[in-house]
Amino acid sequence: GAVVSQHPSRVICKSGTSVKIECRSLDFQATTMFWYRQFPKQSLMLMATSNEGSKATYEQGVEKDKFLINHASLTLSTLTVTSAHPEDSSFYICSLDRNGQGEAFFGQGTRLTVV
Amino acid sequence: AQKITQTQPGMFVQEKEAVTLDCTYDTSDPSYGLFWYKQPSSGEMIFLIYQGSYDQQNATEGRYSLNFQKARKSANLVISASQLGDSAMYFCAMREAGSVSGYALNFGKGTSLLVTP
Repeated sequence: GAVVSQHPSRVICKSGTSVKIECRSLDFQATTMFWYRQFPKQSLMLMATSNEGSKATYEQGVEKDKFLINHASLTLSTLTVTSAHPEDSSFYICSLDRNGQGEAFFGQGTRLTVV
Repeated sequence: AQKITQTQPGMFVQEKEAVTLDCTYDTSDPSYGLFWYKQPSSGEMIFLIYQGSYDQQNATEGRYSLNFQKARKSANLVISASQLGDSAMYFCAMREAGSVSGYALNFGKGTSLLVTP
């Protein structure tokens, strides 16, 4: 069964509004979750590492004030795209793993379209 | 510098034939893991196979096998007996134990595989 649940799977929003994406660990407590972004026909790029109970770590070039990450519990991380613009339209996907061992588990992904 | 290189943007294979998807990697970390994921048009990431840097034998999972050549830093995916449902994007990825990004994966650009009848 699914280890990671991500919602919503698809969202269309107006430019200037904010969108929240949830990533839940269903099978184990995850102190760390990862958020990736994938533009059409491109690879997955790490945006940030979400750490339970502390601030997220953002990759170079990712605006932390635009992409707010909250990891308030061991089973839930949220990514909020604030004041979304059309260039933020992308596929966002979360991931977690069991302390670096074996398979990395991915959510179903969220396809964001900003109009 | 690119850590994962997939040199084949697109590949064709006939149904029931075998196909090899290439992947080379670059790391100085002695402890790392190599992954292959399949991404159909729906976007979900489907785990196929994993190879640890200290694993002595090549990983196999059903029709998938990983040709791990450590000295060449190569981790090619072999799909045997291709099926129409295998048509998708395939990503090679690496996790380095000493990465500043923790256990995040570093992905290649992907290979689009099309299986023809």
